[in-house]
Amino acid sequence: KTQVEQSPQSLVVRQGENCVLQCNYSVTPDNHLRWFKQDTGKGLVSLTVLVHENDKTSNGRYSATLDKDAKHSTLHITATLLDDTATYICVVGDRGSALGRLHFGAGTQLIVIP
Amino acid sequence: EAAVTQSPRNKVTVTGGNVTLSCRQTNSHNYMYWYRQDTGHGLRLIHYSYGAGNLQIGDVPDGYKATRTTQEDFFLLLELASPSQTSLYFCASGGTGVEQYFGPGTRLTVL
Repeated sequence: KTQVEQSPQSLVVRQGENCVLQCNYSVTPDNHLRWFKQDTGKGLVSLTVLVHENDKTSNGRYSATLDKDAKHSTLHITATLLDDTATYICVVGDRGSALGRLHFGAGTQLIVIP
Repeated sequence: EAAVTQSPRNKVTVTGGNVTLSCRQTNSHNYMYWYRQDTGHGLRLIHYSYGAGNLQIGDVPDGYKATRTTQEDFFLLLELASPSQTSLYFCASGGTGVEQYFGPGTRLTVL
């Protein structure tokens, strides 16, 4: 059973618009949650990591929130650029060390058009 | 900057063929991982290793073997490739913390 669900599956926005990606999960325990960006045919690049209940992080135009009670996270991208076209993957880690397992969502494919 | 490289980047083989995917990391990390990525699924863990000579079974190990010859090198072996193993394969390395560093991926097609 999929433990990390992302929505929407795909999204098209115009350059300059904002967008919000959602991640719901059932992983227990949920030690941390990380958002990755994956360009087509490339590896995963970490954008941000959230650890604590009600964590909020910001990394340039990317910002994220985590609600551990609801087991829900959002990734906000403001003023999108064409280079933001990629798949965004939500990953939940069940431990705070390398001994833990990572649980991957299937990703949201974001397409930014001129 | 963490560095994980994979080779080949693309591979086409036939059903029953023998394939070896290579991964090298220069991060001095103890942990290395092999994942596969398929449309509609998140990355799934095939095998992983805590160090040279160590091997651990992941979540989808059937049809795959792995060898960790050195701290730097981790290999994934498909001895009788099947079309169901057509996928995008990622290698990753990690230290004692939670972060994993991913390679660029190998696209494998089994005809």
